[in-house]
Amino acid sequence: QKEVEQNSGPLSVPEGAIASLNCTYSDRGSQSFFWYRQYSGKSPELIMSIYSNGDKEDGRFTAQLNKASQYVSLLIRDSQPSDSATYLCAVITGGYQKVTFGIGTKLQVIP
Amino acid sequence: DTAVSQTPKYLVTQMGNDKSIKCEQNLGHDTMYWYKQDSKKFLKIMFSYNNKELIINETVPNRFSPKSPDKAHLNLHINSLELGDSAVYFCASSQDHLGGGAFFGQGTRLTVV
Repeated sequence: QKEVEQNSGPLSVPEGAIASLNCTYSDRGSQSFFWYRQYSGKSPELIMSIYSNGDKEDGRFTAQLNKASQYVSLLIRDSQPSDSATYLCAVITGGYQKVTFGIGTKLQVIP
Repeated sequence: DTAVSQTPKYLVTQMGNDKSIKCEQNLGHDTMYWYKQDSKKFLKIMFSYNNKELIINETVPNRFSPKSPDKAHLNLHINSLELGDSAVYFCASSQDHLGGGAFFGQGTRLTVV
């Protein structure tokens, strides 16, 4: 079982819709969770972090964490073509605070 | 002012050569990392240093040797390059190793021919 799993997509949503990106993780002791956005040919950019159960909102982005079910999700409201990118889920696992990334979900926002 | 900068951006070299990639961060962070992103875009941690001390060393061939002269710099030296080493290598830094999000450099695209 992969430590951090994401559907690689592509996930296509129309402009203005809500994009929902999901991530599951295997280590129940994981403590910190991050979402990164990576445009093609560019480096990953941190967009959200979440550490406790529930929702965390930042502008059009909402991160959701459910430790009991071991999933973390990212909602993007009012999706824009500029949101088209690969979204990477990252989880801090293990005793050495190792950061493990998922494969990433490619999001396409259709104008 | 670039927060995390790495050089070179592109590196094309022949098999068997030795090469180095340099990384510097001006964020005052304590922890620096090297990641490898392969052709399938999977991003995998290679090394992590906290205040010049190696804290994570994933299953990486010992041809790869990181060096941290101070907490603002983390260089990566690769000996005897192989075709399979072709990838994009990212340097990153974070406030500490306890879970803060990381800031990435622009990447070094290494092509071994």
